Amino acid sequence: EAGVTQSPTHLIKTRGQQVTLRCSPISGHTSVYWYQQALGLGLQFLLWYDEGEERNRGNFPPRFSGRQFPNYSSELNVNALELEDSALYLCASSPLYAYRDGYTFGSGTRLTVV
Amino acid sequence: SQKIEQNSEALNIQEGKTATLTCNYTNYSPAYLQWYRQDPGRGPVFLLLIRENEKEKRKERLKVTFDTTLKQSLFHITASQPADSATYLCALEMDSSYKLIFGSGTRLLVRP
Repeated sequence: EAGVTQSPTHLIKTRGQQVTLRCSPISGHTSVYWYQQALGLGLQFLLWYDEGEERNRGNFPPRFSGRQFPNYSSELNVNALELEDSALYLCASSPLYAYRDGYTFGSGTRLTVV
Repeated sequence: SQKIEQNSEALNIQEGKTATLTCNYTNYSPAYLQWYRQDPGRGPVFLLLIRENEKEKRKERLKVTFDTTLKQSLFHITASQPADSATYLCALEMDSSYKLIFGSGTRLLVRP
């Protein structure tokens, strides 16, 4: 069974640009979660999607947004990139309301803003 | 708001010894608590979950305890091996929001 896949694995962008990160959850998982992990720091919750709807949002500015498609894959968009957006962006999935059984994470997208 | 505290200093132990990692939280006690392992540049991997009505949970060489009075969870790795070297994260539900918040993790280094 394929795990959670994220693309691209690495990305370099210039300040002010926009970026789109992609995530495919495990088959059968309807919930997708996005986290940001800056170097040496913990995981910060960004967004939770389920059944195409945004269910919860972390303490991030509106330039962080996303969506979930009918096949449950998800995109994370970041507009007007800032240097401090440089981080590992992690996507995780779980069945709805089975999140308490643990998340399955992808390997992440390493974003560098210069 | 709920905060999670894990020892930011790395834990350095000899192979074969038991590693004990601590996770403390503030405010209300969650219904459950999870532990993950994270290797450099990779996503976390789920290890164990313990519920508030469980004092202890085991899986192979791993053991987790949960003390809601102390607001603390302990994570033990017995007979540690160099391959156990990684960062270990604890996570719990912030409130009834169905989202997990993570501690910043404790790095474990097991010397051969």
